[in-house]
Amino acid sequence: DSGVTQTPKHLITATGQRVTLRCSPRSGDLSVYWYQQSLDQGLQFLIQYYNGEERAKGNILERFSAQQFPDLHSELNLSSLELGDSALYFCASSPAGGMVNEQFFGPGTRLTVL
Amino acid sequence: GQSLEQPSEVTAVEGAIVQINCTYQTSGFYGLSWYQQHDGGAPTFLSYNALDGLEETGRFSSFLSRSDSYGYLLLQELQMKDSASYFCAVGSDYKLSFGAGTTVTVRA
Repeated sequence: DSGVTQTPKHLITATGQRVTLRCSPRSGDLSVYWYQQSLDQGLQFLIQYYNGEERAKGNILERFSAQQFPDLHSELNLSSLELGDSALYFCASSPAGGMVNEQFFGPGTRLTVL
Repeated sequence: GQSLEQPSEVTAVEGAIVQINCTYQTSGFYGLSWYQQHDGGAPTFLSYNALDGLEETGRFSSFLSRSDSYGYLLLQELQMKDSASYFCAVGSDYKLSFGAGTTVTVRA
């Protein structure tokens, strides 16, 4: 158990809908990272927040957005969902905000878009 | 941008040694990391190399050659529980870029 929690564990929804994924980092960690992992694919970096501020952006679609709240938990919002958005979404955290090679991953949210 | 290449699959028997190679191209480089992921599970950090050379952590070792943009993960004394996907990742610009992963299957 990494200490990172993610809810919900599973999410099934329809195309065109909007969902929110939630992540609580390890106690004391200020950085949160979001990743997408499609079937048989590697981990695609989406976005990083550090202490409430956006720090780095990857190939995140305009339909997706994220934020980190004062209590350091983070939410990833996915809207106008398409079939191709079906994937595992992982959140990770780390203490620092710079280039961090050791990240602690949560159990993931499996999103299925029908 | 970043690109990483690693073999897609490796199969070996219990007790054997497996080497997973990773070559990368990146603008800016802050080190090479390795992560393990069991089927459907969360990735877990294994090792990190910032400088050239070998890092050993128990049965696992990782090597980096910055001049060759190359690294490898060495799994020794393979056990059934080592069956998993292994990802190399390069750090640059505040983010980690992951390879597509190598599926290691350990046979009895």
